[in-house]
Amino acid sequence: AQSVTQLGSHVSVSEGALVLLRCNYSSSVPPYLFWYVQYPNQGLQLLLKYTTGATLVKGINGFEAEFKKSETSFHLTKPSAHMSDAAEYFCAVRASSNTGKLIFGQGTTLQVKP
Amino acid sequence: GAGVSQSPRYKVAKRGQDVALRCDPISGHVSLFWYQQALGQGPEFLTYFQNEAQLDKSGLPSDRFFAERPEGSVSTLKIQRTQQEDSAVYLCASSLAQGATGNTIYFGEGSWLTVV
Repeated sequence: AQSVTQLGSHVSVSEGALVLLRCNYSSSVPPYLFWYVQYPNQGLQLLLKYTTGATLVKGINGFEAEFKKSETSFHLTKPSAHMSDAAEYFCAVRASSNTGKLIFGQGTTLQVKP
Repeated sequence: GAGVSQSPRYKVAKRGQDVALRCDPISGHVSLFWYQQALGQGPEFLTYFQNEAQLDKSGLPSDRFFAERPEGSVSTLKIQRTQQEDSAVYLCASSLAQGATGNTIYFGEGSWLTVV
C-alpha cells in the first residue's frame, strides 16, 4: 500500500530564510511523487513532480525537491522564503499503477514572518 | 474552459437533503478524479473515471455517494441523505492521459459543502 507522511503540520520561517518541508513515502510501485500548494479558498496547484530521470526536480516559484530512494524521501525546499509563499503544502504519491490516483499527506502549513 | 470548473462553489444543505456537485474538466481530458478534503486534512480519493467508465470507486465512503460521467466529459457527484460528516470540500481533478503516465493532474477550486 502507498502512504505519505509529512513531518510537521506547521512550519514557520522568517522572510528570506530557507524553507524545508519534509515528506516521506512508501510505495509498492515505482513512485511518482508530487508537491501541491493550496492557497486559502482555492484548489490545489502543482508545484513540481518526479516521475523518472533526474532526481532533483525544479518547480514553479523557486521551489525544488530531491527524490532520495534510499531514504524514501521527497523533501521540498526553497532557498529564500517570500511572504507570498504562505500556504498549505501537500506531498502526494501515485497510489495506483493503473489509474494514477494520488495519495496525499496531511499537509504542512507554511507561515512566513516578516 | 482553461481550467477545471466546479459548481456550486458553496453549498449549505440541511441534514437529509440530497446534493449534486458538478465538474467540468479541462476539454479533452480523459481522466477525471473526485477527492474529498475535510477541514485541516489532505484530499482523500473518492472515485476515478476514464472517459465515461468508472474504473475505481473504492474511495466512496458509503452507498449514499454516487458519481457519473455519462458522456465522458462533465461529471456529477451526488450525495443522498446528507449527514454532518459529509461536510467537506469536494475537489474534482482531470488529466489528459489515461492511467498512470505521470501526466499532471489539474484540480478545480472545489465545492464547499456544509451540512447543517
